[in-house]
Amino acid sequence: GAVVSQHPSRVICKSGTSVKIECRSLDFQATTMFWYRQFPKKSLMLMATSNEGSKATYEQGVEKDKFLINHASLTLSTLTVTSAHPEDSSFYICSAPGESSGNTIYFGEGSWLTVV
Amino acid sequence: GENVEQHPSTLSVQEGDSAVIKCTYSDSASNYFPWYKQELGKRPQLIIDIRSNVGEKKDQRIAVTLNKTAKHFSLHITETQPEDSAVYFCAATLYNTDKLIFGTGTRLQVFP
Repeated sequence: GAVVSQHPSRVICKSGTSVKIECRSLDFQATTMFWYRQFPKKSLMLMATSNEGSKATYEQGVEKDKFLINHASLTLSTLTVTSAHPEDSSFYICSAPGESSGNTIYFGEGSWLTVV
Repeated sequence: GENVEQHPSTLSVQEGDSAVIKCTYSDSASNYFPWYKQELGKRPQLIIDIRSNVGEKKDQRIAVTLNKTAKHFSLHITETQPEDSAVYFCAATLYNTDKLIFGTGTRLQVFP
């Protein structure tokens, strides 16, 4: 079946620095990918829709200048957390719909970000 | 936009009993309703889903029912086992998109 791979699985960064998380569709093309954030013991909150070849669409309340999304190819979307702060520490996870019809949605493994 | 509510937030049952988790959604245009099981630090795992043209779907011990008129759907787990213990999320997809809106989650504990 389709696989979505996310990297890194865990990252620790210092306050004020930026960190990039990659989401790749390994055996299918994804013109659209989605980025979610999940705080401990909370639900997955949609942050933005990543669109190949165009600007990302951000959900209300998500700072587009802080969470930079780039979808430069049909198999890769990146999320860059800029000027990270401890409150940005969270589990970030991406998803991509499969190429066939039917709403099958594949999730990456997720990335734990800790800002110290 | 779509809003999905989920109840209860925690659920404890004895092994062998049934567990029911309920969700309501706000956007009548939503047409796809998956249920996910998530273990700590892992990606959500799809356990069952239902589309808006179906009222009920069953897969062994797991079933989902959908009431489009009332805009609610439920997950039913029968003959629960300790390994069913996890956090379960319902979700709804906005019409003609793959954008999932998740419920708040239910922590299910199955005691031996």
